[in-house]
Amino acid sequence: KQEVTQIPAALSVPEGENLVLNCSFTDSAIYNLQWFRQDPGKGLTSLLLIQSSQREQTSGRLNASLDKSSGRSTLYIAASQPGDSATYLCAVRGFSGGYNKLIFGAGTRLAVHP
Amino acid sequence: GAVVSQHPSRVICKSGTSVKIECRSLDFQATTMFWYRQFPKQSLMLMATSNEGSKATYEQGVEKDKFLINHASLTLSTLTVTSAHPEDSSFYICSAGLAGSTDTQYFGPGTRLTVL
Repeated sequence: KQEVTQIPAALSVPEGENLVLNCSFTDSAIYNLQWFRQDPGKGLTSLLLIQSSQREQTSGRLNASLDKSSGRSTLYIAASQPGDSATYLCAVRGFSGGYNKLIFGAGTRLAVHP
Repeated sequence: GAVVSQHPSRVICKSGTSVKIECRSLDFQATTMFWYRQFPKQSLMLMATSNEGSKATYEQGVEKDKFLINHASLTLSTLTVTSAHPEDSSFYICSAGLAGSTDTQYFGPGTRLTVL
């Protein structure tokens, strides 16, 4: 059974810092890995999608890496801003029970203070 | 990008009543829809997967008689929480995708259910 773990669970940093959020998964047989952002009481916004054959993806100040063999991904946020405050969720997509499914980690709650 | 809507965004009901939540894909045909629930400060837990016109496949531990899922068209899925109790209070999020696609799913904004 696929399990996704995110470390740290919570993070509070001053504005301007570079951050690394970690995600690990137990089953390396995945199609892809995705990072999402969730604001309080809201739905999910997709940030980056990394296919299983890829090593990293970049979007603006965000960079996500994937090491499928070791079951790890990191999300790097450069020059953090207060507007980056949110919960960041990592999810892996795999095939189970006849469907391909997204399995989520518990998230990292990020607070960036001015 | 593709848009998925949910209605209502918030609902408060008395214990014992049934609540229906709608999920619509607004600009694409969703052959597969997923329903998740999320408790405070916890991750999304997949409840069930449904293909249009078929019965939903429920995850282990999810009561199919309590959480009725209907996916009657390519743009609409409904989740009905029957005889709701306070422990059913949660944030319910739907997601829509294309059958067999290993690419991204599109998520709705969620529905906050509070059962008194």
